[in-house]
Amino acid sequence: DQQVKQNSPSLSVQEGRISILNCDYTNSMFDYFLWYKKYPAEGPTFLISISSIKDKNEDGRFTVFLNKSAKHLSLHIVPSQPGDSAVYFCAASAGDDMRFGAGTRLTVKP
Amino acid sequence: DTGVSQNPRHKITKRGQNVTFRCDPISEHNRLYWYRQTLGQGPEFLTYFQNEAQLEKSRLLSDRFSAERPKGSFSTLEIQRTEQGDSAMYLCASSSAWAENTEAFFGQGTRLTVV
Repeated sequence: DQQVKQNSPSLSVQEGRISILNCDYTNSMFDYFLWYKKYPAEGPTFLISISSIKDKNEDGRFTVFLNKSAKHLSLHIVPSQPGDSAVYFCAASAGDDMRFGAGTRLTVKP
Repeated sequence: DTGVSQNPRHKITKRGQNVTFRCDPISEHNRLYWYRQTLGQGPEFLTYFQNEAQLEKSRLLSDRFSAERPKGSFSTLEIQRTEQGDSAMYLCASSSAWAENTEAFFGQGTRLTVV
């Protein structure tokens, strides 16, 4: 039962361009959404989050957009940098329950 | 406090052996989570503690798996009679229950290989 889906296993963008990572969810009880970034041999690190009462949250180069009616969120990274190359996980929570998508591997080419 | 700490980082064991992993959460965090991650997948929820109470267990957590958090601080995850399918990265995360919405912080994980 995959309640959080990231349908693109990989994404490749040129340095300086925008990276857009997408995530869909099925459980309407989710009210808090997070993006984590993971490098090889490390645990996921928190990147940015958004509450269901908002539709946008921005932190530097990272912006998360939430479309509740479509049960869709996206992470925009602009401008993309080679150091952004990692696996990005979308997560959604309802109370204490947090579920993750399968991840999207982002490669930013110099 | 340098964050969530997990030990060991790597464990190779023979099928049928028991293994135990330890997680030390961020000291002021009272929620502690265990996840399992296999190749190409996101972290899958296993179980969750609030203080010393184990509040939720996933169906993924078979009878061979047991987790404890005896004093509401560190936690252990034991796998008995390991099988090759148990090979995965086991991740621990902690968060504070005092904030309504808050992120969980992950440790670096314990990579288990069952041979």
